[in-house]
Amino acid sequence: GEDVEQSLFLSVREGDSSVINCTYTDSSSTYLYWYKQEPGAGLQLLTYIFSNMDMKQDQRLTVLLNKKDKHLSLRIADTQTGDSAIYFCAEWGTNAGKSTFGDGTTLTVKP
Amino acid sequence: DVKVTQSSRYLVKRTGEKVFLECVQDMDHENMFWYRQDPGLGLRLIYFSYDVKMKEKGDIPEGYSVSREKKERFSLILESASTNQTSMYLCASWAGNTEAFFGQGTRLTVV
Repeated sequence: GEDVEQSLFLSVREGDSSVINCTYTDSSSTYLYWYKQEPGAGLQLLTYIFSNMDMKQDQRLTVLLNKKDKHLSLRIADTQTGDSAIYFCAEWGTNAGKSTFGDGTTLTVKP
Repeated sequence: DVKVTQSSRYLVKRTGEKVFLECVQDMDHENMFWYRQDPGLGLRLIYFSYDVKMKEKGDIPEGYSVSREKKERFSLILESASTNQTSMYLCASWAGNTEAFFGQGTRLTVV
């Protein structure tokens, strides 16, 4: 079945760039999303990319999509302590309910 | 700028009680979803709805039911709450061709 894999932990220093990686298996995925979850809160949509795109940039966020390798990455430039959170990669297919989430990457930003 | 609202952030209920979790979205989305999030298990889909009065079982529907009487509102019902239903519950809304948004989550404790 469909699967989304992420590394569980990432630690960076404030001001550095963070790169969170994700791999997925469903080649029919149409939309790939990145969500941020702070402690005790819901999932906040950060950004998304359509499967016909290679890259999307939104302020400090850059999403890269390698369709051949089914690899998605989220780069956060100039990482701040407020970026410390769990980041989820998700793919939502064209059919309602057909969505798969990774287990989340916990990003820790050290001062 | 709130798009998906869950009625409660925190809820404590007794075993055997009937529990209603409400979710409202203001984006006129057709698709709405209920997930639960547990440590080590990630996000698991309970039920989803692709139209008013329509519902589909997700991966873990046992012990739950849902109601979608109006397009903007999707309710999750625990018919007889049990301690293993203690969890974080997340509602999501999706138009099917763009961003999918989540509510802030409801942390339910069943004692």
